[in-house]
Amino acid sequence: DIVLTQSPGTLSLSPGERATLSCRASQSVSSNSLAWYQQKRGQAPRLLIYGASSRATGIPDRFSGSGSGTDFTLTISRLEPEDFAVYYCQQYGSSQITFGQGTRLEIK
Amino acid sequence: EVQLLESGGALVQPGGSLRLSCAASGFTYSNYAVSWVRQAPGKGLEWVSAISGRGISTYFADSVKGRFTISRDNSKNTVYLQMNSLTAEDTAVYYCAKGSYSNYGYFDYWGQGTLVTVSS
Repeated sequence: DIVLTQSPGTLSLSPGERATLSCRASQSVSSNSLAWYQQKRGQAPRLLIYGASSRATGIPDRFSGSGSGTDFTLTISRLEPEDFAVYYCQQYGSSQITFGQGTRLEIK
Repeated sequence: EVQLLESGGALVQPGGSLRLSCAASGFTYSNYAVSWVRQAPGKGLEWVSAISGRGISTYFADSVKGRFTISRDNSKNTVYLQMNSLTAEDTAVYYCAKGSYSNYGYFDYWGQGTLVTVSS
């Protein structure tokens, strides 16, 4: 199975700052089949990015994804108060789907 | 509007069984896979199982293989997760999620989840 390792575990930033979240895969992710989700407390996850860099419907353009192979990044250009949440990456390039362990983005 | 609604979560004793249901609407159901993803209290997301759009192919995480089965009734737009030989490690909120493709893919819509608690 592909293991996804997210870093950092917790990221403390202020509104207006730029956030950079990393997701590293234990082997190459087929066809850049990598997605990012946002989850707020008590809510279901929400799809942000698929195909490593395509924004899902309704997602603001301050969210962007990049990367290929084994190294992927989610960038939030200017943090809004509603962006503080937990973020997960997921690979779907194989039938054994896996998630990263999550990065908690908290207000500094 | 795409909607997914899980049901069936409950308190069950170790070694027991439970069946979860996921009823969907708002899309051509048989064209898309549906997955179950769980989240233990205070923990991250864990993919559990997926079933292809026509129900021909099924996939399971190693942690549930041999204990869980997945099926779907496209006439009722419903997917089922049959969970047997439950242990405390299966305690979690179980989400169903619509796959982006007919086999699996990323998850573009999620239900609100149903809680399964395994405890004596």
